[in-house]
Amino acid sequence: GENVEQHPSTLSVQEGDSAVIKCTYSDSASNYFPWYKQELGKRPQLIIDIRSNVGEKKDQRIAVTLNKTAKHFSLHITETQPEDSAVYFCAAPRGTGRRALTFGSGTRLQVQP
Amino acid sequence: GAVVSQHPSWVICKSGTSVKIECRSLDFQATTMFWYRQFPKQSLMLMATSNEGSKATYEQGVEKDKFLINHASLTLSTLTVTSAHPEDSSFYICSARGGQLNTEAFFGQGTRLTVV
Repeated sequence: GENVEQHPSTLSVQEGDSAVIKCTYSDSASNYFPWYKQELGKRPQLIIDIRSNVGEKKDQRIAVTLNKTAKHFSLHITETQPEDSAVYFCAAPRGTGRRALTFGSGTRLQVQP
Repeated sequence: GAVVSQHPSWVICKSGTSVKIECRSLDFQATTMFWYRQFPKQSLMLMATSNEGSKATYEQGVEKDKFLINHASLTLSTLTVTSAHPEDSSFYICSARGGQLNTEAFFGQGTRLTVV
């Protein structure tokens, strides 16, 4: 099955700096890589995702890059703001089709004002 | 995006009792739904895959007789925690992948279960 590793586990940055979170996956057949933001006690919220046919995707201050050869993908947040503080999870599907997601262990991001 | 609704959002029960959690897809049909469990400061761990009209598929280490899953319609899956114990206290979240965006996963609000 799919194994997803995520690091760092915690990340503290100053407001306005950039934050980068990295994940690796094991199943070369995986073709969809979402990133979720979870605030305390709430459901995960999809913030960006990327499919395996592209190497980078950007949405305002958030970008995701994918290296299929190395089987890793990264989340980049620029110009961080205090409201970006949350736990971020990467994920990859188990196989193809409408399968469950395997989640990374999570990164607690704290943006210091 | 599609909407998945989960109920209740929180529940407190006594040890030995059973609790039922509902997960509904409101604007799309979900032949498959997923149940995750999340302990404090940990990641989401898949418990089982709920299949409409057939038996659920449980992950290794998850007791199927303790966590009963029923997926009787294309829009509703239920998880019943039977004979709950304090160690079952956790955040339970359902998810479905479907709708027009075939790959995106939609999550319910989650249910905070506390067993006392």
